[in-house]
Amino acid sequence: EPEVTQTPSHQVTQMGQEVILRCVPISNHLYFYWYRQILGQKVEFLVSFYNNEISEKSEIFDDQFSVERPDGSNFTLKIRSTKLEDSAMYFCASGRKTDTQYFGPGTRLTVL
Amino acid sequence: GEDVEQSLFLSVREGDSSVINCTYTDSSSTYLYWYKQEPGAGLQLLTYIFSNMDMKQDQRLTVLLNKKDKHLSLRIADTQTGDSAIYFCAGMTTDSWGKLQFGAGTQVVVTP
Repeated sequence: EPEVTQTPSHQVTQMGQEVILRCVPISNHLYFYWYRQILGQKVEFLVSFYNNEISEKSEIFDDQFSVERPDGSNFTLKIRSTKLEDSAMYFCASGRKTDTQYFGPGTRLTVL
Repeated sequence: GEDVEQSLFLSVREGDSSVINCTYTDSSSTYLYWYKQEPGAGLQLLTYIFSNMDMKQDQRLTVLLNKKDKHLSLRIADTQTGDSAIYFCAGMTTDSWGKLQFGAGTQVVVTP
């Protein structure tokens, strides 16, 4: 059964550095998403992406965040200048339609 | 926006039924979901229900939706040790397609 994959599984970075989190959605899916879960808190929506543009973004998704689908398979989340409070588990999700989302295993980001 | 609440912990004996409860605030929630997260893994979509349904059954899983009380439950029949996980309730409203709003998750521990 096809799955969403994410790399790396764990990323450690210094505050102020740029990070790129990578996701490979399920191949025939058209809708793509990023969520994050800070330790001990709820899973929070960051952004949705369809037809090569952002459909919706949350207040968290400020100018330091960007998403891209650079080729036909990858979907990336870039954080330009990481802050301590960006430490979280980041989940990518994809869906063939808007009514279902299939999640990847997540990337744990640790900002020191 | 949507607010989703769940009880945090449930202990159940192997072979018994588990019932995990969830309440939501937005009456325009159109889709309601149950996800399962095992340790170190991503969010696995278990089942979902449309707001025009009262019940959905899928093998050992039964979802009940009470729209009047804005209450959703997931019943797991014949609970097994492999059912030990965190279960997340999530909702999606008609004015925020694609944006899942998650509860905090219910930790289910199955004891022999």
